[in-house]
Amino acid sequence: DAGVIQSPRHEVTEMGQEVTLRCKPISGHNSLFWYRQTMMRGLELLIYFNNNVPIDDSGMPEDRFSAKMPNASFSTLKIQPSEPRDSAVYFCASTGQVWNEQFFGPGTRLTVL
Amino acid sequence: GIQVEQSPPDLILQEGANSTLRCNFSDSVNNLQWFHQNPWGQLINLFYIPSGTKQNGRLSATTVATERYSLLYISSSQTTDSGVYFCAVHYSTGNQFYFGTGTSLTVIP
Repeated sequence: DAGVIQSPRHEVTEMGQEVTLRCKPISGHNSLFWYRQTMMRGLELLIYFNNNVPIDDSGMPEDRFSAKMPNASFSTLKIQPSEPRDSAVYFCASTGQVWNEQFFGPGTRLTVL
Repeated sequence: GIQVEQSPPDLILQEGANSTLRCNFSDSVNNLQWFHQNPWGQLINLFYIPSGTKQNGRLSATTVATERYSLLYISSSQTTDSGVYFCAVHYSTGNQFYFGTGTSLTVIP
């Protein structure tokens, strides 16, 4: 199995632009998680899906952030408009059952200028 | 309040030395994992260990759920062990994973 796949691996954009991060979970996994990692706040859970349905988005920092999971093999995290404080590494993780062992993707390093 | 505490926050070892990292949690858990974040930022699964003891090569882990702590042992450390070690838990009554603040390990040759 290829593991969790994320794209792009690096993204540099200017303030105000729309950013879309993509994730493909491990095949057969039912749950998908989006995290953000910064030096100041560590790893924060933004949102998670179970069977493609968003279950808890209380970690999404504000309305500029949105996430979708149109099918079992694909999810997006969108930031519109982006701001410099959104600069971070964004990780996607998946699990076979929602609170079982998590497997992380390589992350997307986002820089907003 | 603090959900998961890790200690020590920083650790410097000579290559070949052994170390013990600790993770304290505040309630009953049904998932506890140890991760290694390497210098390239990748989060690598080490152990899925809500209870008991597991070993994988030079690494082993023990979780004593009744006393609410887990230990990660690294023996004969190598420079490739450098990075940050995270403990993450899911509490039985909760709906998210909580990550500790990590232990930053540097192994010097």
